[in-house]
Amino acid sequence: DTEVTQTPKHLVMGMTNKKSLKCEQHMGHRAMYWYKQKAKKPPELMFVYSYEKLSINESVPSRFSPECPNSSLLNLHLHALQPEDSALYLCAASRGGLETQYFGPGTRLLVL
Amino acid sequence: AQSVAQPEDQVNVAEGNPLTVKCTYSVSGNPYLFWYVQYPNRGLQFLLKYITGDNLVKGSYGFEAEFNKSQTSFHLKKPSALVSDSALYFCAVNKAAGNKLTFGGGTRVLVKP
Repeated sequence: DTEVTQTPKHLVMGMTNKKSLKCEQHMGHRAMYWYKQKAKKPPELMFVYSYEKLSINESVPSRFSPECPNSSLLNLHLHALQPEDSALYLCAASRGGLETQYFGPGTRLLVL
Repeated sequence: AQSVAQPEDQVNVAEGNPLTVKCTYSVSGNPYLFWYVQYPNRGLQFLLKYITGDNLVKGSYGFEAEFNKSQTSFHLKKPSALVSDSALYFCAVNKAAGNKLTFGGGTRVLVKP
């Protein structure tokens, strides 16, 4: 069982909506990640937080806004998304550096 | 730059037969290599990793992988496949600074009864 949890499991939103994805980890890890995964494709890195500070932004559009309120929580705020943003959004946590990343179950997002 | 290739989009195997999923990598220096499995509509589950040491790495659910530096390969193996092993498998490498994990394109494994 994963120690990284994500809510909600599914989300449907319109292009004018504002919503948030939530990720929580209980492993005491210092690095947290957001990935986007399209069907039958590998995950694509979006953001990395290390010690609650944003360390990597993979040129993600500003309609995606990450937030790390504390060492256990990671949010992804969504606003004015496009239908092509529909995907599985995965959160992961690790000790950082080259250590193993442990993934949550993901949030399946559909943008109408 | 680091990269990973999984040359087979799909592997079909009969239950009870050996399973091999191929992975080759390109990275300067010593790589950290990982295998993950993904079941439908689920997140990625960590199977095993190679950092250094013994070239044969044992992981979860009876899987193992062999690191071959001269062939820059890290193939995943299981001696006797189960129907429940049917899933999408990803090889990944982590070398660059900044926690960046690079994934291969994935290989779908179908184990038939």
